[in-house]
Amino acid sequence: DVKVTQSSRYLVKRTGEKVFLECVQDMDHENMFWYRQDPGLGLRLIYFSYDVKMKEKGDIPEGYSVSREKKERFSLILESASTNQTSMYLCASSHGQGGSYEQYFGPGTRLTVT
Amino acid sequence: DQQVKQNSPSLSVQEGRISILNCDYTNSMFDYFLWYKKYPAEGPTFLISISSIKDKNEDGRFTVFLNKSAKHLSLHIVPSQPGDSAVYFCAASALKASGTYKYIFGTGTRLKVLA
Repeated sequence: DVKVTQSSRYLVKRTGEKVFLECVQDMDHENMFWYRQDPGLGLRLIYFSYDVKMKEKGDIPEGYSVSREKKERFSLILESASTNQTSMYLCASSHGQGGSYEQYFGPGTRLTVT
Repeated sequence: DQQVKQNSPSLSVQEGRISILNCDYTNSMFDYFLWYKKYPAEGPTFLISISSIKDKNEDGRFTVFLNKSAKHLSLHIVPSQPGDSAVYFCAASALKASGTYKYIFGTGTRLKVLA
């Protein structure tokens, strides 16, 4: 079974802090994704990576950066957390390029910025 | 600009009956459509997909129908079971000029199957 794990289920941070969200997958997938889920807005893509050290902006990259130094690990960084970044963050991975490839999701990290 | 829309935020169905979840899209360049199911405190899991060149795909109790002219797809669950109670997301993919794929998710429909 593909397993995608996220470092924390719940996180509370203060405005202005630098926040790291970590994601690890164990199936040697090329592609990894970071989404945020907000009520009424569904899942919105922040960044994705199609190879080590390769990344591409999603629909809402502002205020975020990412790092992928190893194939199995994809980190989302909030350089200076703000209250409007309070959300559920979901990491996903998939094998291969192509729209038909299903994504495997982690359980999510609920981040609260106060 | 919501390119993938799920206009019904919630749906209640009696156990054993058919559940129909709907999804509308605006971008004719989408080439695959996928449905995911999400239970509370878990990440979404893949359910079923359909290529834009097909009009139907079936997998057990789940069938997805695609109407390209109406830019509409639907997920049918027959018969519905209490364990199907979850949030269902419709998703679409399209090839970008960069050669990578764009993935757009809908806002989700919460299905409740009543025993």
